[in-house]
Amino acid sequence: DSGVTQTPKHLITATGQRVTLRCSPRSGDLSVYWYQQSLDQGLQFLIQYYNGEERAKGNILERFSAQQFPDLHSELNLSSLELGDSALYFCASSSGQAPNEKLFFGSGTQLSVL
Amino acid sequence: AQKVTQAQTEISVVEKEDVTLDCVYETRDTTYYLFWYKQPPSGELVFLIRRNSFDEQNEISGRYSWNFQKSTSSFNFTITASQVVDSAVYFCALSELNQAGTALIFGKGTTLSVSS
Repeated sequence: DSGVTQTPKHLITATGQRVTLRCSPRSGDLSVYWYQQSLDQGLQFLIQYYNGEERAKGNILERFSAQQFPDLHSELNLSSLELGDSALYFCASSSGQAPNEKLFFGSGTQLSVL
Repeated sequence: AQKVTQAQTEISVVEKEDVTLDCVYETRDTTYYLFWYKQPPSGELVFLIRRNSFDEQNEISGRYSWNFQKSTSSFNFTITASQVVDSAVYFCALSELNQAGTALIFGKGTTLSVSS
């Protein structure tokens, strides 16, 4: 068990809808990362937050947004969902903010857009 | 731009065989870090190793060993005497320390299937 908690584990929704994925980092970790895993794109980095501030941004669509709250949990909001957004979304955490940090991953949220 | 290539999409071996997973990377930085992560069927990625660009020493941990060669930009992973429990997707990843606003970038992964 990595100590990173993601909810929900599975999410089924329809195109055009909006969903929120939630992540609680390991105790003491200040950084939260979001990754999208799909068969064609592999593991794609979306965004990183450190202690409430955005630190790094990857291939995150404008329809997607994220935030990290004062209690350090993070939420990834996906809106105007399309079929292609179906993927496994991972949250990871680390103690620091540097890109060489060892990441601890949650078990992921499987999103299915129908 | 940084890039990680894992040319082997899938590998199948029989238990007790040795297997090497290849990883080739591209970076313009002189300071960078390389990682291997394992994703078992349960889905959660698990950290295996981190190596910085200044440390080319090979590393062995039990049945696992890693060979880092800057001359060929490779960071290969060998499993000796493979076991069924080694069946998983293995990801190589790269991070560039001096690039602000970047994070860990993963290769596409190699699916290893070990049969008994």
